[in-house]
Amino acid sequence: ETGVTQTPRHLVMGMTNKKSLKCEQHLGHNAMYWYKQSAKKPLELMFVYNFKEQTENNSVPSRFSPECPNSSHLFLHLHTLQPEDSALYLCASSQATSGGTQYFGPGTRLLVL
Amino acid sequence: DQQVKQNSPSLSVQEGRISILNCDYTNSMFDYFLWYKKYPAEGPTFLISISSIKDKNEDGRFTVFLNKSAKHLSLHIVPSQPGDSAVYFCAASRYRDDKIIFGKGTRLHILP
Repeated sequence: ETGVTQTPRHLVMGMTNKKSLKCEQHLGHNAMYWYKQSAKKPLELMFVYNFKEQTENNSVPSRFSPECPNSSHLFLHLHTLQPEDSALYLCASSQATSGGTQYFGPGTRLLVL
Repeated sequence: DQQVKQNSPSLSVQEGRISILNCDYTNSMFDYFLWYKKYPAEGPTFLISISSIKDKNEDGRFTVFLNKSAKHLSLHIVPSQPGDSAVYFCAASRYRDDKIIFGKGTRLHILP
């Protein structure tokens, strides 16, 4: 596998469920990101990790809980989500704090019922 | 308050002609600008970038122009090809800052 991969690609969950999104990058980068893309809105940055340390939390509700066990893996744990959380969740990676290009995964399309 | 604006949600261009996608920004601290391309069911892919010390950057059929005084940048694609049909996102950041701000995107349709 090359680039940035995300699983699952699609997820349907109820408001009481707990699920996790997984992201893996094979680019040797040390910064990883979670973005949310809702319909007709710009990509919204949620979290940033540099060298496994969280450096940005963009006022994200606590029902979204990120985890970065190492520089290659990033998780987004979901619990008690709301229907308005339905969106495309994109993971990206880059060289840390370089202002450089971010490389995106294909995203997980999430539907909360 | 949107810091990066793409005011055209969609654009249709004849194959072989020039496609021009526009982007405006409000934050004068931005000094690094990027364009991403996104196909359905895929994540955005990096296309081309420009730093504020330049006013033009060219890569094959793609050229990005930056007008700092107007806080405006544009992406030119020439000649346009069917595979260019996609959503194009303009993005901006402060160089050496990992926070990139994206616009809403412009959907480009290349007509046969």
